[in-house]
Amino acid sequence: SQTIHQWPATLVQPVGSPLSLECTVEGTSNPNLYWYRQAAGRGLQLLFYSVGIGQISSEVPQNLSASRPQDRQFILSSKKLLLSDSGFYLCACTPDRYGYTFGSGTRLTVV
Amino acid sequence: AQKVTQAQTEISVVEKEDVTLDCVYETRDTTYYLFWYKQPPSGELVFLIRRNSFDEQNEISGRYSWNFQKSTSSFNFTITASQVVDSAVYFCALSDLNSNSGYALNFGKGTSLLVTP
Repeated sequence: SQTIHQWPATLVQPVGSPLSLECTVEGTSNPNLYWYRQAAGRGLQLLFYSVGIGQISSEVPQNLSASRPQDRQFILSSKKLLLSDSGFYLCACTPDRYGYTFGSGTRLTVV
Repeated sequence: AQKVTQAQTEISVVEKEDVTLDCVYETRDTTYYLFWYKQPPSGELVFLIRRNSFDEQNEISGRYSWNFQKSTSSFNFTITASQVVDSAVYFCALSDLNSNSGYALNFGKGTSLLVTP
């Protein structure tokens, strides 16, 4: 079964600073990868998904971007953080749309 | 488009009470998967169950049970004899072939369950 390593667990960043969150997957090849965001007290919103290296699709327009430089590496970035970017970010993967694995999440606070 | 509705935003029960969390879904596909996840305060998602659209058999796992009814597009989750450790946010989610999001799970907004002693 697959495992997701996601870091950091907690991050406090000032408004206007850059962001880079990384997620790596073990135990599978060519998975579909996803970034979700959960704002305080709200549900899980899909931000980006990737079906292969270099293939990124965005679900909502926002201040963030994603990249997949390697098969099992998924990166979420921002050039300039906004207060509204605060939230809990989860990386997820599935090799077969049957079994989904989630990372432990990054709690981002923009101050 | 697929959609998952969890109408109950918050539920509060006293320990040992039974509680049912509702989930209603919409999809145009005949093949799909339904999931339930638990999110404790620490934030990680804990997988509880997966059901495919061709298996309507209800399932029981300890104090947990799930009632899947295609006729009403519902996949409800019941906790019997609730315990304080059951306090968490519970998410229902859907994945179907018609998804144009790389088979991303589509989540409901979650139900926050508080079990008090």
